[in-house]
Amino acid sequence: EAGVTQFPSHSVIEKGQTVTLRCDPISGHDNLYWYRRVMGKEIKFLLHFVKESKQDESGMPNNRFLAERTGGTYSTLKVQPAELEDSGVYFCASSQDRDSSYNEQFFGPGTRLTVL
Amino acid sequence: GEDVEQSLFLSVREGDSSVINCTYTDSSSTYLYWYKQEPGAGLQLLTYIFSNMDMKQDQRLTVLLNKKDKHLSLRIADTQTGDSAIYFCALDRGSTLGRLYFGRGTQLTVWP
Repeated sequence: EAGVTQFPSHSVIEKGQTVTLRCDPISGHDNLYWYRRVMGKEIKFLLHFVKESKQDESGMPNNRFLAERTGGTYSTLKVQPAELEDSGVYFCASSQDRDSSYNEQFFGPGTRLTVL
Repeated sequence: GEDVEQSLFLSVREGDSSVINCTYTDSSSTYLYWYKQEPGAGLQLLTYIFSNMDMKQDQRLTVLLNKKDKHLSLRIADTQTGDSAIYFCALDRGSTLGRLYFGRGTQLTVWP
C-alpha cells in the first residue's frame, strides 16, 4: 500500500512568489492534516480536512495560505505571496475514520520550502 | 511557554539505554504518541500509550507516563546507530481524530 506522498520535496522561491504544495493521502483515509515545522521549532498544526470539508483551520497563520481538497482525495496548500517566515518543512498526514479516539496519523516525507 | 517540551539533544554510546523525556501542560490527552523522523523521511509512529496506563513495553521500547507530573518518557534499550533520529512527543489533548500537538523534537545521536 502506498504511503502519504508529497510534491515537491523541495521548493526554493523568492519572496512575493506563489508556491503550491500537494499531498496525496493514503487511499481511503478521510482525514487529512497539514502541519509545518519551522527550523528547530515544534511541528505546528495548520488544518484538518474530513473528506473535502475543512474540519479545523485554526492553525492557518494568515490569509496568504489557502488549502483545498476538492473531491476529498488529494489536497493542495498554496502560499501567495510567500514571505521569508513561511520557510520550513510542510508535512501532510492522513488517518482513517474510526470510532475510537486512537488516531494514528501517517505522515508524508514533507516539502521543504525555502523563501529567499 | 510551550505546551509540549522536550530537550533538544541526546547523545549515547551504542549498546547503552537512551531515555527521551517530554513534559506537557495540558492533562486532557487520551493518547500520547512517540514519532520518529529519520533523515530525509517523514514522521513514523513508533509507539503510543493510552492515558489510563502508566507503562507500555514493546520490544526495546518502554514508554512511561506520569500523569501527576505530566511527564512522558521513551526508553530505548540497547540503542543502535540505526536509532539515530529525531524523536517527537505528540499529544491529542482529548481531540478525537483531530490535531496533534508536538514538541520540538529530540535529536538522538548514537556513537559507535
